[in-house]
Amino acid sequence: QKEVEQNSGPLSVPEGAIASLNCTYSDRGSQSFFWYRQYSGKSPELIMSIYSNGDKEDGRFTAQLNKASQYVSLLIRDSQPSDSATYLCAVLNAGKSTFGDGTTLTVKP
Amino acid sequence: GAGVSQSPSNKVTEKGKDVELRCDPISGHTALYWYRQSLGQGLEFLIYFQGNSAPDKSGLPSDRFSAERTGGSVSTLTIQRTQQEDSAVYLCASSLSAGGETQYFGPGTRLLVL
Repeated sequence: QKEVEQNSGPLSVPEGAIASLNCTYSDRGSQSFFWYRQYSGKSPELIMSIYSNGDKEDGRFTAQLNKASQYVSLLIRDSQPSDSATYLCAVLNAGKSTFGDGTTLTVKP
Repeated sequence: GAGVSQSPSNKVTEKGKDVELRCDPISGHTALYWYRQSLGQGLEFLIYFQGNSAPDKSGLPSDRFSAERTGGSVSTLTIQRTQQEDSAVYLCASSLSAGGETQYFGPGTRLLVL
């Protein structure tokens, strides 16, 4: 079992729709949770960070964390073609970061 | 302000040679991370530094890999006796501390071992 698992892709949604990305993790001691976006051939860039249970909203993006279920998700509302990228879930515990393999999202115009 | 920089951007080497990859973090960032990303794969954690010390070296794939950081700033990842399976993008990131702050990534070094 991988330490961080993301829903298998690729994920394709039409422009304007909601994209839902999911991630589960195995280490209950994990303290910090991140979603990064990575365009092809580029480095990851931070989309959202979340540290406590519940929802955190930033513009079109909402991160949700449920530590009891060891689950973190990212919702992208009003998806745009420019959101097409690979989304990486990252979990941090005591300095060590573990990334999932990523989910590739395609938003079709 | 300057972001994380890495050099070289690309490196082609022959199997068995040693390579050194350099990372220059954002000024003031005390934590520095090294990752490896193979084609189409996620990021594989290699090592992180808090200041000059590396509390967790468990991610280094073999004893051919080593890393050091001096002066709380620049870090070097060294791969000895390179193998073809070492071919990947090596990414460096830095953050204010290792306590959960955002990591900012450099552009990566693309290593190809022939």
